[in-house]
Amino acid sequence: GQNIDQPTEMTATEGAIVQINCTYQTSGFNGLFWYQQHAGEAPTFLSYNVLDGLEEKGRFSSFLSRSKGYSYLLLKELQMKDSASYLCAVNTGFQKLVFGTGTRLLVSP
Amino acid sequence: DAGITQSPRHKVTETGTPVTLRCHQTENHRYMYWYRQDPGHGLRLIHYSYGVKDTDKGEVSDGYSVSRSKTEDFLLTLESATSSQTSVYFCAITPGRTSSYNEQFFGPGTRLTVL
Repeated sequence: GQNIDQPTEMTATEGAIVQINCTYQTSGFNGLFWYQQHAGEAPTFLSYNVLDGLEEKGRFSSFLSRSKGYSYLLLKELQMKDSASYLCAVNTGFQKLVFGTGTRLLVSP
Repeated sequence: DAGITQSPRHKVTETGTPVTLRCHQTENHRYMYWYRQDPGHGLRLIHYSYGVKDTDKGEVSDGYSVSRSKTEDFLLTLESATSSQTSVYFCAITPGRTSSYNEQFFGPGTRLTVL
């Protein structure tokens, strides 16, 4: 079976740091993706982890621990435009992605 | 935007009618996917294709069929639409060797309502 868990909703303040967690149990693992999705729009690619450790890309960082089946997305210096849903997805093989249900992040002034 | 378009962007139809959604890409990508997105379920894979006439089922394929007769077009058909197929449908592509990560790029989506 495939199971990917993320918190349903989080709130944070502009300028703060927020960490969105993702735990997974899947039949295969060929990497983990994070996507951002604004309401009414398509998901857009944020980050990719296939090896353990932290990948940093500007204000966004993503961490992976394969032994723990755990990842997080770290957003720094939050801006109002970061209000969106954040989707965790595991590549289970042959580019087949299994998605979590997403975390809705609300950034307030 | 990886040159992906979807048509129609919005459709309202009645239960029992056939519906075909089209995904069109302009950059000759080999891998294409159809997902549906529903509240509480996230994105779920319906069907995917690794090339012309090479398709396979995803997680939620019941009630759907696909065809890919040309590299650029991937069609999703609901033979007899049901209200449970009301959803937002996204097409996606993987650039393959032209990408560092093999991430998927998504089309703008089609909002389908079945009454």
